[in-house]
Amino acid sequence: EAEVAQSPRYKITEKSQAVAFWCDPISGHATLYWYRQILGQGPELLVQFQDESVVDDSQLPKDRFSAERLKGVDSTLKIQPAELGDSAMYLCASSLAAGQVQYFGAGTRLSVL
Amino acid sequence: QKEVEQNSGPLSVPEGAIASLNCTYSDRGSQSFFWYRQYSGKSPELIMSIYSNGDKEDGRFTAQLNKASQYVSLLIRDSQPSDSATYLCAVNRGTGNQFYFGTGTSLTVIP
Repeated sequence: EAEVAQSPRYKITEKSQAVAFWCDPISGHATLYWYRQILGQGPELLVQFQDESVVDDSQLPKDRFSAERLKGVDSTLKIQPAELGDSAMYLCASSLAAGQVQYFGAGTRLSVL
Repeated sequence: QKEVEQNSGPLSVPEGAIASLNCTYSDRGSQSFFWYRQYSGKSPELIMSIYSNGDKEDGRFTAQLNKASQYVSLLIRDSQPSDSATYLCAVNRGTGNQFYFGTGTSLTVIP
């Protein structure tokens, strides 16, 4: 069964360090999403890609966060520098096309000390 | 006003009972509606999608949509302890295909 792959599963870092997360969507899925989920809350969209283009990054803190999907397949989300408030689950999801069912990866649990 | 609102719970039901989870949304132009289940520490997994008014059944799960009232619900029949999780309602606004998630309802099924 096709899955969205994410790595690492867990990341512990110190404040002011750089961190990066990787996501490989289900093959053939054109749309890729990065979400942040704080404990007790729903997922919050950080950035949405259609193929290699960003279509929505309105909630991405651009002073410290960046995301790319250079060849329209896998994607990387980077935080530099990390802050204490960035501790959360970072979820990647993909869908065949925008607006269709999204399938989630296992997520990356980030702890910033 | 939030795009998607859910009662955060916790909701507790005895094993074998019907669990009813509710969700309201603000944008009348929303087109697609989804229910996800999320176990503690895990990622969301899709339970059901619904696109038109009425009921949609899949095993023990029934999704109900009422666009006039901007309301979508999920019924779980014959609830099992394994159904204990947080249930997330997600809505696709249509315009820009933007997805919004509610904060989730925590369900506990008591054996």
